[in-house]
Amino acid sequence: DQQVKQNSPSLSVQEGRISILNCDYTNSMFDYFLWYKKYPAEGPTFLISISSIKDKNEDGRFTVFLNKSAKHLSLHIVPSQPGDSAVYFCAAMHNQGGKLIFGQGTELSVKP
Amino acid sequence: NAGVTQTPKFQVLKTGQSMTLQCAQDMNHNSMYWYRQDPGMGLRLIYYSASEGTTDKGEVPNGYNVSRLNKREFSLRLESAAPSQTSVYFCASSKNRVLNYGYTFGSGTRLTVV
Repeated sequence: DQQVKQNSPSLSVQEGRISILNCDYTNSMFDYFLWYKKYPAEGPTFLISISSIKDKNEDGRFTVFLNKSAKHLSLHIVPSQPGDSAVYFCAAMHNQGGKLIFGQGTELSVKP
Repeated sequence: NAGVTQTPKFQVLKTGQSMTLQCAQDMNHNSMYWYRQDPGMGLRLIYYSASEGTTDKGEVPNGYNVSRLNKREFSLRLESAAPSQTSVYFCASSKNRVLNYGYTFGSGTRLTVV
């Protein structure tokens, strides 16, 4: 039973445009959500997070939006750069002492 | 400032062989985790340790054992390797306030079981 789902395995975007990566979850107990970025042959690195008391969190070119009623979150990257090409994982947890449950990942390709 | 160190980086095992994957962190984190990454499956939690002296099962614990040797080290053991355990294994650690810092991951161990 996949509690965190990323239904798009891949996404291709032109440099300078917006990249939108989507994530859905089924467990209503989740109250913290994180995005990770992963380059080949490296471990995932933490990108940005949001708690369920907010609906938006921004950090430079990266913004995460949370729609609790739809159990949906998205990561916006504006403007997209070729160095953003990587696999992006969405993850969720119930309380900060809990364990992270990851989605399947979306491979983003930003074309020059 | 090493972060999370995993050894070995690559390993090939024959079916039925055993091995231990090592993980150490130097950030004084309380919690440590073992994940496996498979194509189309994302990262799945095998075992975790919320603090020194405790371990708990994750989503896919069958065929694995763990040891939290001390606060720094958390090892993953495969007693009798099977081809289904071919995967990339990641160790991670975290402070208690995960929201601000996330988990810190190692660079992974690529394991092939033939």
